[in-house]
Amino acid sequence: DAKTTQPNSMESNEEEPVHLPCNHSTISGTDYIHWYRQLPSQGPEYVIHGLTSNVNNRMASLAIAEDRKSSTLILHRATLRDAAVYYCILPNAGGTSYGKLTFGQGTILTVHP
Amino acid sequence: DTGVSQNPRHKITKRGQNVTFRCDPISEHNRLYWYRQTLGQGPEFLTYFQNEAQLEKSRLLSDRFSAERPKGSFSTLEIQRTEQGDSAMYLCASSSVAGATDTQYFGPGTRLTVL
Repeated sequence: DAKTTQPNSMESNEEEPVHLPCNHSTISGTDYIHWYRQLPSQGPEYVIHGLTSNVNNRMASLAIAEDRKSSTLILHRATLRDAAVYYCILPNAGGTSYGKLTFGQGTILTVHP
Repeated sequence: DTGVSQNPRHKITKRGQNVTFRCDPISEHNRLYWYRQTLGQGPEFLTYFQNEAQLEKSRLLSDRFSAERPKGSFSTLEIQRTEQGDSAMYLCASSSVAGATDTQYFGPGTRLTVL
């Protein structure tokens, strides 16, 4: 899998937007960018994914740089329940963008009331 | 759709004993993955199945580990002669391969403690 780099930790206040960055300078043209998060004592949870265009869903938005070497996960209004470890992953197996996920250290998001 | 389920949720065993975990994926998901997570680390890939075929195994999966997915439905992960280093959370995920990428849905995990 292409390598991703994320800050170790970030902090936010409740109801404020949060921008979680991810660098993936070695991304290939067919790599999808996936975000998962893991709440304390739970299995990872899918958040969002995209290829080139920005994406929105009920949980978050994903902003992808024009050169695709970086992306940003946006939580529009952080809640205490968003406190988790956020992982940016580029699945790649045999040239396809699905298969095993390689989790790095992720970004620990702390949300203050 | 009840999501991915795993049983048991917790298992405490003595070193040298065999243990078996079960994963029930989301129905009709053709891919099933096993991961292991130790404290403070992200999950690490162990193996995955597409239908009943085991397509990839990590080098982390020693000879003491074996996984099966008979009939392409549920899967079992067995660890023989457990060691203290096997203590971890074992996570299962399933997905449906349709299109250029897939989304994996994780179960709650089985926490193994080897005494």
